[in-house]
Amino acid sequence: DSGVTQTPKHLITATGQRVTLRCSPRSGDLSVYWYQQSLDQGLQFLIQYYNGEERAKGNILERFSAQQFPDLHSELNLSSLELGDSALYFCASSRGTGGYNEQFFGPGTRLTVL
Amino acid sequence: DQQVKQNSPSLSVQEGRISILNCDYTNSMFDYFLWYKKYPAEGPTFLISISSIKDKNEDGRFTVFLNKSAKHLSLHIVPSQPGDSAVYFCAASAPGESTFGDGTTLTVKP
Repeated sequence: DSGVTQTPKHLITATGQRVTLRCSPRSGDLSVYWYQQSLDQGLQFLIQYYNGEERAKGNILERFSAQQFPDLHSELNLSSLELGDSALYFCASSRGTGGYNEQFFGPGTRLTVL
Repeated sequence: DQQVKQNSPSLSVQEGRISILNCDYTNSMFDYFLWYKKYPAEGPTFLISISSIKDKNEDGRFTVFLNKSAKHLSLHIVPSQPGDSAVYFCAASAPGESTFGDGTTLTVKP
C-alpha cells in the first residue's frame, strides 16, 4: 500500500460526458502528479501540482484540467470525453517538487468511454 | 520525440539467471534516474535510483548502471525470480520534471 488513494477504481461513461477523478496523496507529500496510461503504452505525464500550485505541465489536453486543494487532495477533470480517452489514470505523490524524489503511485482509475 | 526509450518491449529469462533491462535517453539535462516496477492492476512502485554523479548503485539483487557518455542506463536483476515478473519503467529526471519510458515486460520462467 503506497498510501496514495484514488477514487473511483473504475468509471464507465459515454462520449461527450465529463468525469472527475480524485486523488489523496501520501501523508506529508506536497506534490501530486497525474499520468495517463493507454493500452500497451507507457506512462504519459499530464500535470503536476505542488502545494496547491501548478508546477509542471505535460501532454495534457485542453479538455482536461486539474487542481490541488488546500488539504492537498487533487482532482483531474476530463470533459467532452472521446473514445480515445479510455485509459488508466494514475495519481502519484512525492515529498518535494523536483524530479529527484521517488513518486508513490496510487492504484489507478480505469476509465472506459463507450 | 521520445526523450526516454526502452527499446525492448519484453524480455524473458529463466529463474536464477540475470535479467538486464535497458533504457536510453536523449536529454543531457537529465541528472537523476529511477526504475519503477508495475504489477497488473497496481500502480508502479519505486525500485532503485541513481544520480548522474555515480555510475552504479546496488540494492540487494538489483543494480543500476549509468553510462552518461552513451546516455544509457541498465537495470540488472540477479538472480531473477518468478516474482520479478512485471513491467519495468525507466524514468529520467531534470529539475522539475520526470519523463518515463514505455516500459519493458519482464517474464521470469520457473
